[in-house]
Amino acid sequence: DIQLTQSPSFLSASVGDRVTITCRASQAISSYLAWYQQKLGKAPKLLIYVASTLQGGVPSRFSGSGSGTEFTLTISSLQPEDFATYYCQQFFNYPLTFGGGTKVEIK
Amino acid sequence: EVQLVESGGGLVQPGGSLRLSCVASGFTVSTCPMGWVRQAPGKGLQWVSGITTGGGDTYYTDSVKGRFTISRDNPKNTLYLQMNSLRAEDTAVYYCAKWGLGGHRYDYWGQGTLVTVSS
Repeated sequence: DIQLTQSPSFLSASVGDRVTITCRASQAISSYLAWYQQKLGKAPKLLIYVASTLQGGVPSRFSGSGSGTEFTLTISSLQPEDFATYYCQQFFNYPLTFGGGTKVEIK
Repeated sequence: EVQLVESGGGLVQPGGSLRLSCVASGFTVSTCPMGWVRQAPGKGLQWVSGITTGGGDTYYTDSVKGRFTISRDNPKNTLYLQMNSLRAEDTAVYYCAKWGLGGHRYDYWGQGTLVTVSS
């Protein structure tokens, strides 16, 4: 199975900060990586797919990059509504695995 | 508009069974790979099971193989997860989700249904 390691697992930041979250895969997964945002008590929301494609309706301050084994999610200017937990997920092969999550909290 | 509505969760004793349902609207389940994802209390997301289109190949995470079965009912436009031999560690909110057009992401998710395994 493909393991996804996210870092950091916890991040404290201020409104307006640039934030970067990393997801590393245990083997090459081409660009078959998605990013989700989850707020407490809610279902995950798709942000980015195939590593860098922004899902419709998602603000342009979110961006993704990477291929192979290393990927990043960047929030260019953190907004109050962005405080949440973020997960990566690989779609290279089954079982489709998730990273452990990165919780972004207000500094 | 695409909607996924799960049901069937509840309290069950260890060793018991439950069947989760996910009623879809706005698309046809037979034409879209779908899956189940769970989240234990205070924990991260865990992919549980998936089903492809066409012949409906099925896949499972190791911890549920032989105990859970994913299936779909095309006329009812519904996805199911039959869960047998339930364990305390299966306690979680279970979400169904669909692949986006072109694949490689879950673009719509249900609201989730809570399964609690406890005596």
